[in-house]
Amino acid sequence: AQKITQTQPGMFVQEKEAVTLDCTYDTSDQSYGLFWYKQPSSGEMIFLIYQGSYDEQNATEGRYSLNFQKARKSANLVISASQLGDSAMYFCAMTPQAGTALIFGKGTTLSVSS
Amino acid sequence: DSGVTQTPKHLITATGQRVTLRCSPRSGDLSVYWYQQSLDQGLQFLIQYYNGEERAKGNILERFSAQQFPDLHSELNLSSLELGDSALYFCASSVGRENIQYFGAGTRLSVL
Repeated sequence: AQKITQTQPGMFVQEKEAVTLDCTYDTSDQSYGLFWYKQPSSGEMIFLIYQGSYDEQNATEGRYSLNFQKARKSANLVISASQLGDSAMYFCAMTPQAGTALIFGKGTTLSVSS
Repeated sequence: DSGVTQTPKHLITATGQRVTLRCSPRSGDLSVYWYQQSLDQGLQFLIQYYNGEERAKGNILERFSAQQFPDLHSELNLSSLELGDSALYFCASSVGRENIQYFGAGTRLSVL
């Protein structure tokens, strides 16, 4: 069965520092999608970044990049130059096949201090 | 703003009651997904509709049902509510090969 594992319940970082949030996944499918979402304390779920299993380049979106290591089945999120507004819960997720529901990890709480 | 609209934002009701949660997807998105987020279960997929037809079911209780209408908006009906149904319910919509799902702001249900 497909599974997402996020082993860091909480991470603490200072403003302007970079931080890596870990995510490993388990699937036997060859074609799958990997996603990161941000959930601030207000509760909404915000899409950050997507990586397809066949994409050879790591995905980047502004200060977010996804460090995709297919052989290790890892999809870590890297946030460069952290800001106070980055404090939130971050979820790694996957879709095992195109057009299917997301499978979520348990999330990592990121706290950014000044 | 994700473009996905959910109403109401908050719902407080009593055990045994029935409620309806509404979702309007982003313009052009044919797929609608419902998810439940609770402290003990995390984020769980409930059900998916595609262009009016049920496409997939997840951990959805028999007391829960959903439908997608011709204008593509969707409703999630929760009946015989129990205390354990208290949760944040999300709707998401997607289109395209990557299936990037954009979420509404959620409906926070409190069953007292």
